[in-house]
Amino acid sequence: GQQVKQSSPSLTVQEGGISILNCDYENDMFDYFAWYKKYPDNSPTLLISVRSNVDKREDGRLTVFLNKSGKHFSLHITASQPEDTAVYLCAAGAQGGSAKLIFGEGTKLTVSS
Amino acid sequence: DMKVTQMPRYLIKRMGENVLLECGQDMSHETMYWYRQDPGLGLQLIYISYDVDSNSEGDIPKGYRVSRKKREHFSLILDSAKTNQTSVYFCASSFHQDTQYFGPGTRLLVL
Repeated sequence: GQQVKQSSPSLTVQEGGISILNCDYENDMFDYFAWYKKYPDNSPTLLISVRSNVDKREDGRLTVFLNKSGKHFSLHITASQPEDTAVYLCAAGAQGGSAKLIFGEGTKLTVSS
Repeated sequence: DMKVTQMPRYLIKRMGENVLLECGQDMSHETMYWYRQDPGLGLQLIYISYDVDSNSEGDIPKGYRVSRKKREHFSLILDSAKTNQTSVYFCASSFHQDTQYFGPGTRLLVL
């Protein structure tokens, strides 16, 4: 089964609005959570990551929220801009494990002006 | 400048032919990865390598093999390519479980 799941394949947000991207996971052992951004015909790049000892991490317009009891984490992008239009991949892994990351299927975010 | 390179970037092969995809990194990362990306499936891990000659199967290793003879190089080999191996292949490297740095990808078409 899919250990990391992004239930929304696509999301459209108005410029200036808040984009909220969601990710659910199954494995209780996951303790590292990340969001990658991918433009078409480009490679994924890390946006922001968080370890399980915190439930929130901010970096500029980006905030990751981690809900361990609900096995859910999300990425909030404030003041969304057209250049935020991309595919966002969530990923999770277990520290001290195999260094594997399990990726979600991706959510295509479109920010319309 | 931290970089992961992949060669070739585009490749067309016929079913049954052998395929060699190359990946290099200049960061002395111990861990390297091969993924494939297909629509609606995200990134699927084919193989992971923890160092030279220390390779492990990922989630979809069937039909693939890998070779890592130098820390900076990791090769993905398809012996007798199949049409369902048409995909975009990404290589990545990381220092332990830190950030994974991805290469630009190789688009493989198997006819």
